[in-house]
Amino acid sequence: AQSVSQHNHHVILSEAASLELGCNYSYGGTVNLFWYVQYPGQHLQLLLKYFSGDPLVKGIKGFEAEFIKSKFSFNLRKPSVQWSDTAEYFCAFSDSSYKLIFGSGTRLLVRP
Amino acid sequence: GAVVSQHPSRVICKSGTSVKIECRSLDFQATTMFWYRQFPKKSLMLMATSNEGSKATYEQGVEKDKFLINHASLTLSTLTVTSAHPEDSSFYICSASEPTSIGFNTDTQYFGPGTRLTVL
Repeated sequence: AQSVSQHNHHVILSEAASLELGCNYSYGGTVNLFWYVQYPGQHLQLLLKYFSGDPLVKGIKGFEAEFIKSKFSFNLRKPSVQWSDTAEYFCAFSDSSYKLIFGSGTRLLVRP
Repeated sequence: GAVVSQHPSRVICKSGTSVKIECRSLDFQATTMFWYRQFPKKSLMLMATSNEGSKATYEQGVEKDKFLINHASLTLSTLTVTSAHPEDSSFYICSASEPTSIGFNTDTQYFGPGTRLTVL
């Protein structure tokens, strides 16, 4: 079955620490990969996406993600987090059916 | 960027009544819209895919007679929860995708702010 695993449910970091959130998907075909962010009280926003080409994708607010096909992974990274990065992060993928399959989310708390 | 709105943002209704939620793409035409349900501290679960001018496609386990979806125009999709029960209380989120290329799907979904439904 198609699925997305986000291994970290809760992450707590201090400001300026580096961030890496794991994401693995289960699907044998070609996929589009996404990271969405949901700030407290706000709706889901697209952070970055991978469709094809360079497997290292840069998104907004200094985030990047790397698609490693052999590992079925699409981990999210940021070298130095800020308090304003406190949010819930969702990894997702879609195949040719347009449908998004979401991971369970990772709640990030950044302490000032 | 693309903006999707939902109305209402919150609704409280009595058990047995029906509730309609609207999803609008404000600055683009969306041939496809999606309806999700988000349970507390859980991820988004796709309920159905709504295509303009045709019947919605429901995910397994979602009752199509209970969750009526209408996609009457390229900017509006509605979800009607019929004969609502307390277990239907949830956060309902819609998204809209704007086709960006031919061939393999490269659409990106833009999400609405969600509707909090509480059934008493």
